[in-house]
Order: sequence, then C-alpha cells, then structure tokens
Amino acid sequence: QKEVEQNSGPLSVPEGAIASLNCTYSDRGSQSFFWYRQYSGKSPELIMSIYSNGDKEDGRFTAQLNKASQYVSLLIRDSQPSDSATYLCAVTGTASKLTFGTGTRLQVTL
Amino acid sequence: EAQVTQNPRYLITVTGKKLTVTCSQNMNHEYMSWYRQDPGLGLRQIYYSMNVEVTDKGDVPEGYKVSRKEKRNFPLILESPSPNQTSLYFCASQGAGGFPDTQYFGPGTRLTVL
Repeated sequence: QKEVEQNSGPLSVPEGAIASLNCTYSDRGSQSFFWYRQYSGKSPELIMSIYSNGDKEDGRFTAQLNKASQYVSLLIRDSQPSDSATYLCAVTGTASKLTFGTGTRLQVTL
Repeated sequence: EAQVTQNPRYLITVTGKKLTVTCSQNMNHEYMSWYRQDPGLGLRQIYYSMNVEVTDKGDVPEGYKVSRKEKRNFPLILESPSPNQTSLYFCASQGAGGFPDTQYFGPGTRLTVL
C-alpha cells in the first residue's frame, strides 16, 4: 500500500463547477496535511495546509480532513481554466517526514 | 525576494561524468531537501538536511551525495550518473524545526543522462 494515494486523473470539470480532489494516507500518526499545485514543468506551490479534523477554507479552496478515515480532500469552488494543474497531496508522518502522493491532474474545461 | 535557486536548470550529460546541481536559499532556513520527480512515481525525497553539517538519507539516496557546509547552500552531487537518474530534480527549504509548514521549492533541474 502506498503511503499517500491519489487518483491520477485526469479529473475533468466544467468552468464554474466544484472540483473535488481526494487523498488517503496510511500512517495513522500523521499530523500535518498539505495540498500543492503544480503546473506542468514548474515547481510545486503550497496552496493549503490543514492540521485538525474538519474544514479549512481559503478563498475558493477548502481542505477537509478526517483522521479517523485517513482521508483528506480539496474542494475548488468556481473552477477556472487557470486551476488546470496537477494537485499533490502531502502528509507528514510520525517521523516528521513529508511524503507526497503522485498527484491528480485537474482539467477545467470551457 | 524570498527564493530558492537551482543551477543548472537543464543538463544533458553522459554516464559516469560527475556532476553537481547547486541549490541556494536566501531565507535563512535550517531545513533543506532534495527531491526527484518521475512520471507515475511522484516526488520522492533523496536527501535532507536539518542544519549545517547535518544530513540524512531520504527514500531514494542511492547514487547521490549531498553536503551542507553553509546554511544557504545544499548541493546535490552525482558521482557517477547513470541513465536511471534521468529525472526532474527539486530543491526545497523550510524554516526552523523541520516542520514542513511552508516548504519553498526551487524551479527544478531537468537532468538527462545518456
């Protein structure tokens, strides 16, 4: 089992819709959870971090964490073509090591 | 401007020819790390450094060396590159405590080993 799992996609959503990206992790002791956005050929950029169960909102982005289910998600409201990118889930495990998922490619269509 | 720089950005080399990829940050960060990114495998950590003269292996350290003689610099050394080290490499840094709250990534180095 991979430590951090994501569906590779592509996830295709129409402009203006809500994009829902999901991530599961295997280490029950994980403490910190992150979402990075990566445009093709560019470096990852941190867009959300979440540390406790529940929702965290920042503009059009909402991160959701459920530690009991070992599940973290990212919702993007009012999706724009500029949101088309690969979204990387990253988790800090018990050894304080940051582990990345392989990413979900999001395509926002006009 | 806070940034992580890497050089070179692109490199094509041949098997066995030693190379160094430099990484420098201007944020006075203690923690620095190197990742490689390959299709279908995501970002994998090669080495990391908690501070000057303190380095440790990540998930895929074989074939790589690092050094941390100064806080701002963390070069990645390939003593004898092989084709399976063809990849996109990222250097990253973050603040005190190694807590990956905001990890800043460099622009990446695309390495091809023939």
